[in-house]
Amino acid sequence: NAGVMQNPRHLVRRRGQEARLRCSPMKGHSHVYWYRQLPEEGLKFMVYLQKENIIDESGMPKERFSAEFPKEGPSILRIQQVVRGDSAAYFCASSSGTSGSTADTQYFGPGTRLTVL
Amino acid sequence: AQRVTQPEKLLSVFKGAPVELKCNYSYSGSPELFWYVQYSRQRLQLLLRHISRESIKGFTADLNKGETSFHLKKPFAQEEDSAMYYCALKGTGGFKTIFGAGTRLFVKA
Repeated sequence: NAGVMQNPRHLVRRRGQEARLRCSPMKGHSHVYWYRQLPEEGLKFMVYLQKENIIDESGMPKERFSAEFPKEGPSILRIQQVVRGDSAAYFCASSSGTSGSTADTQYFGPGTRLTVL
Repeated sequence: AQRVTQPEKLLSVFKGAPVELKCNYSYSGSPELFWYVQYSRQRLQLLLRHISRESIKGFTADLNKGETSFHLKKPFAQEEDSAMYYCALKGTGGFKTIFGAGTRLFVKA
């Protein structure tokens, strides 16, 4: 099991472009979480998805950000019309469940570092 | 408001010395508390959780509801413990995890 995969690892975009970040959860995991980490700060929850459903997007900015987790394929975090303030590390995590002693353990990917010029 | 506070950005100790990484939280319900660790060039990973009441790599953490704290302790630090440590909170039965800003532990030889 290769673990949670994220690509690309580094992404450079100019202001106004779109950024698309991908996350492939661990095999057998159907729960995906996205976090954003700004310099010198902890991870900030953005969105929680299950297959084909957004369960909680309370941490997502109201505009320009969207996320999906289709039936087939990776989860995608999309940022439209990027601005310099979007520069951050974006982490994805997956779990097999949401409660219980181990089912909700989140396994993290290596992150995607987005730089907006 | 739900919040996790790690007051120390950097903690430096000598090998063999005791270490305590502080974590305080604010949460209105019944939380689950976690410690995550990120070693150099590795992914963030779960170190321990309070409901397991376990010791991992010599680390323990006790949930003190009266002081709303979940400090991470180890009696004798090792050089390989040098890493970034994050305290995190989740509501029981929930899924949204709130992270502290992290403490970088540096264990000197």
